[in-house]
Amino acid sequence: DAGVTQSPTHLIKTRGQHVTLRCSPISGHKSVSWYQQVLGQGPQFIFQYYEKEERGRGNFPDRFSARQFPNYSSELNVNALLLGDSALYLCASSLVVGTANYGYTFGSGTRLTVV
Amino acid sequence: AQSVSQHNHHVILSEAASLELGCNYSYGGTVNLFWYVQYPGQHLQLLLKYFSGDPLVKGIKGFEAEFIKSKFSFNLRKPSVQWSDTAEYFCAVNEAGTASKLTFGTGTRLQVTL
Repeated sequence: DAGVTQSPTHLIKTRGQHVTLRCSPISGHKSVSWYQQVLGQGPQFIFQYYEKEERGRGNFPDRFSARQFPNYSSELNVNALLLGDSALYLCASSLVVGTANYGYTFGSGTRLTVV
Repeated sequence: AQSVSQHNHHVILSEAASLELGCNYSYGGTVNLFWYVQYPGQHLQLLLKYFSGDPLVKGIKGFEAEFIKSKFSFNLRKPSVQWSDTAEYFCAVNEAGTASKLTFGTGTRLQVTL
């Protein structure tokens, strides 16, 4: 059974460019969340999607956007990249039944470097 | 708003020493609690979680954690660490009974020496 898969694994972009990161959840998981992990810190919540609807948004600028597709995969988009956007971007999928969340499984992440 | 504090930023232990990593959270309601581990170059892996019931939770690789509601704490313990336990450990919390986001602490870097 495949875990959470993220692509690409590494990415180097120039300031001002746009980037799209992709995530495929575990089969059967309908909730996908995105986190940013800056070196030396804990992951910070960016977005959560459930059944293709945004269910939560963290304290990130409007340059960050995301969406979830009918197959429950997800994309995170970041426009007008800044040096400070350099981080490990993590995707997590979770099994949600009713209002109960049965825990999160994380992917290996995409390491984004902005130069 | 939820917050999580991990007061030990960097811990160095010798093999076979006992481990206790502190985690305190701030939230007015009922929470789910998690400990994740991140080995060098690897992704976050769930060590253990507490949803309800017995406050002493056993996880993988010999780790355990105790939820003390009155102290808002969820400390991670292991009786005897191994060199392979060298990693970063993160405590996290979310609101119980919801599909809400995880709030993470800043992490504790554990270094186990031979």
